[in-house]
Amino acid sequence: DAKTTQPPSMDCAEGRAANLPCNHSTISGNEYVYWYRQIHSQGPQYIIHGLKNNETNEMASLIITEDRKSSTLILPHATLRDTAVYYCIVRPPWVDSSYKLIFGSGTRLLVRP
Amino acid sequence: NAGVTQTPKFRVLKTGQSMTLLCAQDMNHEYMYWYRQDPGMGLRLIHYSVGEGTTAKGEVPDGYNVSRLKKQNFLLGLESAAPSQTSVYFCASSYGGGASGELFFGEGSRLTVL
Repeated sequence: DAKTTQPPSMDCAEGRAANLPCNHSTISGNEYVYWYRQIHSQGPQYIIHGLKNNETNEMASLIITEDRKSSTLILPHATLRDTAVYYCIVRPPWVDSSYKLIFGSGTRLLVRP
Repeated sequence: NAGVTQTPKFRVLKTGQSMTLLCAQDMNHEYMYWYRQDPGMGLRLIHYSVGEGTTAKGEVPDGYNVSRLKKQNFLLGLESAAPSQTSVYFCASSYGGGASGELFFGEGSRLTVL
């Protein structure tokens, strides 16, 4: 599985966009990029995923560079409730029984009032 | 629709005691997982299952056993608890198949081994 590198911590002001980077320079052509977040001590929550194209849903946008070696998760209008640890994960598509999701250390995002 | 439910939510054990954590999901998911999370760290995969009657080792399987006798349940057992197993344990499930790998997590089970 490709390894990801994220900054250990970031902060942004409430109402502003939060841009969380992720480096995955060894990603393979068929590996997806996933983002999850963990608020306080709750179970992780799925945010978004993508392969090549940029993706947007009601929670966030995912921008993947053309060479796919890095990506950015964008929270367009961060709120205090977005304070959490954000995990960037890469994984291959479903391959029978070899599928598993490996979490790294993530980025701790603090949204300031 | 409860999603993923873990029991118990809190437990304190003495070294050498055994216990079982139960994970139940009502989404008819094929895949289920057990992770552990130590303070200030990310999640590490202990064991996982790709269907009823199947289990496989993850990153940190030593000291744990699992069983998936029913599709909706995934049990994590500690035969002889050690202080190093003090952690928060998360269960997750996913549909399996296709490109969507969204995992649904439970609220966690906090285990302290004295």
